[in-house]
Amino acid sequence: QVQLVQSGAEVKKPGSSVKVSCKASGGSFSNYVITWVRQAPGQGLEWMGGIIADLGTGNYAQKLQGRVTISTDESTSTAYMELSSLRVEDTAVYYCAREKIGRLHGMDVWGQGTTVTVSS
Amino acid sequence: DIQMTQSPSSLSASVGDRVIITCRASRSISTYLHWYQQQPGKAPKLLIYAASSLQSGVPSRFSGSGSGTDFTLSISSLQPEDFATYYCQQTYSSPQTFGQGTKVEIK
Repeated sequence: QVQLVQSGAEVKKPGSSVKVSCKASGGSFSNYVITWVRQAPGQGLEWMGGIIADLGTGNYAQKLQGRVTISTDESTSTAYMELSSLRVEDTAVYYCAREKIGRLHGMDVWGQGTTVTVSS
Repeated sequence: DIQMTQSPSSLSASVGDRVIITCRASRSISTYLHWYQQQPGKAPKLLIYAASSLQSGVPSRFSGSGSGTDFTLSISSLQPEDFATYYCQQTYSSPQTFGQGTKVEIK
């Protein structure tokens, strides 16, 4: 059974960048979309964007366009989410998840989450 | 963007109760609707996909229904491990959007 294992917690200054990794253990990303979802403290879930691993085609939330980049390295079965020009309001737990291509399957495997704290 | 509205935002129920959570989309999303359960401090867990399909390994007391704009998640007999927050999500169009969540608490 595939697991998604994310990198550790990060503390960043406003204006800097963060890159969070998500490694598939026991499987690959083939035939899946890797999606990133974040959750601010005490808040709900927010879709950030996703990438079709086989094609390298990313799709991003409009509000994050220009600041977020999602990529994959198939050789290591690792996905990355980089967020630049960090703001205090980007403080959140960031999750990666996989969903089968086709949009009708939901996100069935999730990473454990990575806490990103943005503070001066 | 498609807005997803869940109701209620929270509810109190007892073990053994039947619980129904509703999710309404601002426009038709066919059956591109999924339900997740989130325990405090944990990642969300997929319960129902495509509005009514039970995810493998999820207890049969969970069920989903609906299409178009109105959807429901039902828990037939609430168990202690079901006290959590539940989210609906639409994947009909980008950006994917989630409901605001429904917190199920112990009465």
